[in-house]
Amino acid sequence: GAVVSQHPSWVICKSGTSVKIECRSLDFQATTMFWYRQFPKQSLMLMATSNEGSKATYEQGVEKDKFLINHASLTLSTLTVTSAHPEDSSFYICSATTSDSYEQYFGPGTRLTVT
Amino acid sequence: KNQVEQSPQSLIILEGKNCTLQCNYTVSPFSNLRWYKQDTGRGPVSLTIMTFSENTKSNGRYTATLDADTKQSSLHITASQLSDSASYICVVSANVAGTYKYIFGTGTRLKVLA
Repeated sequence: GAVVSQHPSWVICKSGTSVKIECRSLDFQATTMFWYRQFPKQSLMLMATSNEGSKATYEQGVEKDKFLINHASLTLSTLTVTSAHPEDSSFYICSATTSDSYEQYFGPGTRLTVT
Repeated sequence: KNQVEQSPQSLIILEGKNCTLQCNYTVSPFSNLRWYKQDTGRGPVSLTIMTFSENTKSNGRYTATLDADTKQSSLHITASQLSDSASYICVVSANVAGTYKYIFGTGTRLKVLA
């Protein structure tokens, strides 16, 4: 089956620093990748949609200059949280789809803690 | 407005018992409906996926139903196990001009007690 990995699985950083999270599709080519964030006891909230080779589409209320998304290849998308603050602490999850399927494959998530 | 509502918000049952989770949606144009299981600190894992023409789909002890007329779905868990403790998320997809939009429910948190 299709596998999506994320790295790192958890990260602790100091306020003001930047953190990069990677999302990889291991055995398929992902034409579209999605980035979500999830707060405790809440469902996933879509942050942005990225298509390979083009700029990401951000959801309303998500700062594109703060959450930089790069989808440089069909197997890799990165989310960079710039100048992180404690309120950015959350669980970040990516998912990937292919052009010929509506199936959405989720990564295992990355726990970000900003101190 | 496209929305997916789930009930109950949380549920506690004893091991071995059955339970049913509900999902109501107002999503158009409807493409498919999926149930995911999400363990704490993990990404969602797909349990079932149903298109418009499917009424029932099973995956082991999980059975999902879909009534496209009333726009309701349910997930029935049979003979619950401790490992079923998780959040269950209903996701409805809309196909808008060839692009899929995914609308997430708020989830049901299930706790199975020994």
